[in-house]
Amino acid sequence: GAGVSQTPSNKVTEKGKYVELRCDPISGHTALYWYRQSLGQGPEFLIYFQGTGAADDSGLPNDRFFAVRPEGSVSTLKIQRTERGDSAVYLCASSPLEADYGYTFGSGTRLTVV
Amino acid sequence: GDSVTQMEGPVTLSEEAFLTINCTYTATGYPSLFWYVQYPGEGLQLLLKATKADDKGSNKGFEATYRKETTSFHLEKGSVQVSDSAVYFCALRKAAGNKLTFGGGTRVLVKP
Repeated sequence: GAGVSQTPSNKVTEKGKYVELRCDPISGHTALYWYRQSLGQGPEFLIYFQGTGAADDSGLPNDRFFAVRPEGSVSTLKIQRTERGDSAVYLCASSPLEADYGYTFGSGTRLTVV
Repeated sequence: GDSVTQMEGPVTLSEEAFLTINCTYTATGYPSLFWYVQYPGEGLQLLLKATKADDKGSNKGFEATYRKETTSFHLEKGSVQVSDSAVYFCALRKAAGNKLTFGGGTRVLVKP
């Protein structure tokens, strides 16, 4: 597609539930990134995929968070046993292999855990 | 670890005023530096970048120079418009990595 698409744009879930957030990157971009942006703060890195594999998952806060990219295109961020502190905007970005061209970010998924 | 520090906002200006947003960083080696902008209701967009010391990035009337000696990448614009109202984020990417480290963002409000 023309840009990075994230769905849903908004998600409200109850504490303890499981959620999946989807990212559809720009066609041909081999690198895909997930970031989390809490209110009033800058985005924080979660995980980076190069192709199908997670090249760097050092930003995942704990084992409730998991992400996959099985075919090297669409990615899903999965959060188990959600907590109120998980409420944030989850951003996805993609880039060509050479990241100095700059990332293209999606509009994000606003997750609210009640 | 790596970090980026930006001046706190909000910054409120009148149209045609001069804008400066300070950004300093801490990182080993020679990172690439970026400014991203987030307009109301929109996603993050790359505004400009610089990949080595003394490089100047520019776009849409905005400029920033990579200063290795002061570890800074301050954003400037000579004459702001109402349409420049947004949140601005400074970020770095280490030479050997791909992830971005962002500052906390600076909200700019330009009044007519």
